[in-house]
Amino acid sequence: RKEVEQDPGPFNVPEGATVAFNCTYSNSASQSFFWYRQDCRKEPKLLMSVYSSGNEDGRFTAQLNRASQYISLLIRDSKLSDSATYLCVVINTGNQFYFGTGTSLTVIP
Amino acid sequence: NAGVTQTPKFRVLKTGQSMTLLCAQDMNHEYMYWYRQDPGMGLRLIHYSVGEGTTAKGEVPDGYNVSRLKKQNFLLGLESAAPSQTSVYFCASRKDRFLDLNTEAFFGQGTRLTVV
Repeated sequence: RKEVEQDPGPFNVPEGATVAFNCTYSNSASQSFFWYRQDCRKEPKLLMSVYSSGNEDGRFTAQLNRASQYISLLIRDSKLSDSATYLCVVINTGNQFYFGTGTSLTVIP
Repeated sequence: NAGVTQTPKFRVLKTGQSMTLLCAQDMNHEYMYWYRQDPGMGLRLIHYSVGEGTTAKGEVPDGYNVSRLKKQNFLLGLESAAPSQTSVYFCASRKDRFLDLNTEAFFGQGTRLTVV
């Protein structure tokens, strides 16, 4: 079983829409959670950490549900510049950094 | 401040050839990682290191070896390249978790390797 499962999409949404991505993880002892963004043929870059209480950064909201072992990312008021692949990341107790397969988002004018 | 630097950026190998990919970081990070990224597969962990002189296997270690002789460098070796190893390889580094559990990983720009 994969450490991290993620819906690959693609998600095609109009500008201004709200879109949500989910990710599930298999190791209940996992310690840290992140969302990364990857633009085409570029390296992944941190979008935001995910805290147990949930956290928000502008139009982006991340949630963690430890009981159900999933994390989510909500993007409000989508912009053209949000088009990218969004990767969820889980760090387990052994400090291994596992990525989901990524969810592709295209924001359409 | 260079961050994480990977060399080379592109390479074409013939089946059976060997090569070494170099990852260098100047942030004094303890942890370093090697990933490969294939279409539809996301990033898969090959090997990682939690400090100088240590290495450990990740999800897909077969066909690769690594070494971390110096804290700032993490080398990935392919002893006998196969077409299945055609991929984009990313290196990453991260600060010690005992300093901050939520420290992010910083990535190099990737190495595009083709094995023919």
